[in-house]
Amino acid sequence: SQKIEQNSEALNIQEGKTATLTCNYTNYSPAYLQWYRQDPGRGPVFLLLIRENEKEKRKERLKVTFDTTLKQSLFHITASQPADSATYLCALDMRRSFGSGTKLNVKP
Amino acid sequence: GAVVSQHPSRVICKSGTSVKIECRSLDFQATTMFWYRQFPKQSLMLMATSNEGSKATYEQGVEKDKFLINHASLTLSTLTVTSAHPEDSSFYICSVMAGGDTAGVADTQYFGPGTRLTVL
Repeated sequence: SQKIEQNSEALNIQEGKTATLTCNYTNYSPAYLQWYRQDPGRGPVFLLLIRENEKEKRKERLKVTFDTTLKQSLFHITASQPADSATYLCALDMRRSFGSGTKLNVKP
Repeated sequence: GAVVSQHPSRVICKSGTSVKIECRSLDFQATTMFWYRQFPKQSLMLMATSNEGSKATYEQGVEKDKFLINHASLTLSTLTVTSAHPEDSSFYICSVMAGGDTAGVADTQYFGPGTRLTVL
């Protein structure tokens, strides 16, 4: 079965810097990949979707890349703010499989 | 995107009792809703797919007699945890799938705010 790996350790960065989160997957070739944000005690919120034929997708300060050869997606937040602090989850297309998420802490 | 609500947001019950959790799609008619469970610091685990007007499809290892799902209308799905035990304590989240390829957001899920269940 497919496996999704996200760095379980929290990522601590300084406000204004770029945060980069990684999502690796195995045993599957997704047609697209999605990123969600989850705040404590809340349901995930959809952020971005990137298809297998897209190398990069942007939305405001967010950027997602998708390398189907490496089986990896990178999620970037530029000019990070303390309000960006949350757990970020990646998910593979229709399989409804989520990574365990990476917690991002942006320090002022 | 779709707006999804859940009720209650928190529930504490005694072991052996049953608890019903409601998931409503407020602005979208959802023929399919999904139920997830999330333990602390772990990922969302899909429990079942709720289909309007038909039986739910359960994931492997999920007891369908323990987690009863009813999807009686296009806007409401309910999850009933029967004879709850402390190990059932978790965060339960529902979602609806909206959009399609033509909208550019194929198979995007919109999640409810979740229900925290604590079984004493």
